[in-house]
Amino acid sequence: AQSVAQPEDQVNVAEGNPLTVKCTYSVSGNPYLFWYVQYPNRGLQFLLKYITGDNLVKGSYGFEAEFNKSQTSFHLKKPSALVSDSALYFCAVRDMRQAGTALIFGKGTTLSVSS
Amino acid sequence: DGGITQSPKYLFRKEGQNVTLSCEQNLNHDAMYWYRQDPGQGLRLIYYSQIVNDFQKGDIAEGYSVSREKKESFPLTVTSAQKNPTAFYLCASSRQYRGQSNQPQHFGDGTRLSIL
Repeated sequence: AQSVAQPEDQVNVAEGNPLTVKCTYSVSGNPYLFWYVQYPNRGLQFLLKYITGDNLVKGSYGFEAEFNKSQTSFHLKKPSALVSDSALYFCAVRDMRQAGTALIFGKGTTLSVSS
Repeated sequence: DGGITQSPKYLFRKEGQNVTLSCEQNLNHDAMYWYRQDPGQGLRLIYYSQIVNDFQKGDIAEGYSVSREKKESFPLTVTSAQKNPTAFYLCASSRQYRGQSNQPQHFGDGTRLSIL
């Protein structure tokens, strides 16, 4: 069975400091991995995805994520946090072999950036 | 602009009443999905559809029903059998490019359903 774990309910960071939001996954085959961001009372916005190739993926708003197959992780990172980055972040996975199925989401991590 | 439109934004249900949430997309996507979001529980899949006139149950389909008569539309009905319907409901869609599963899902802005 596929699953995603986001071990931290909340991450607090000061503006200008680097941030990391953690994600680990479990799939039977090779994974497709995604990060989304959600602002209050809005839908999810796509940030980036890992399909294959380079383990460091760059996405929207200066975010990047590093795929680590041996640790089954896909942590979201940003070199310098902004107050406007404060939001709810979701990691999601799909098994590469299961075409057409829905993404499996983690429970989300609230990022709070203080000024 | 292309996107997904969910309506209404807020909806109230009385005891014993069925309510229908609308989801329309103009992205020409084949696949559509319904998720339920509760605080601290992430997104849970209710139903999904890969093509017109076909849909599959997700993890929490009991008390819900859907239809997919048109490619653009995937309405969700919350029936009176769903005893705890208060939640934020999100509709999504994605391309099904040659059956590959590497396409992201695009989301609407949700409908918040409450019990009167």
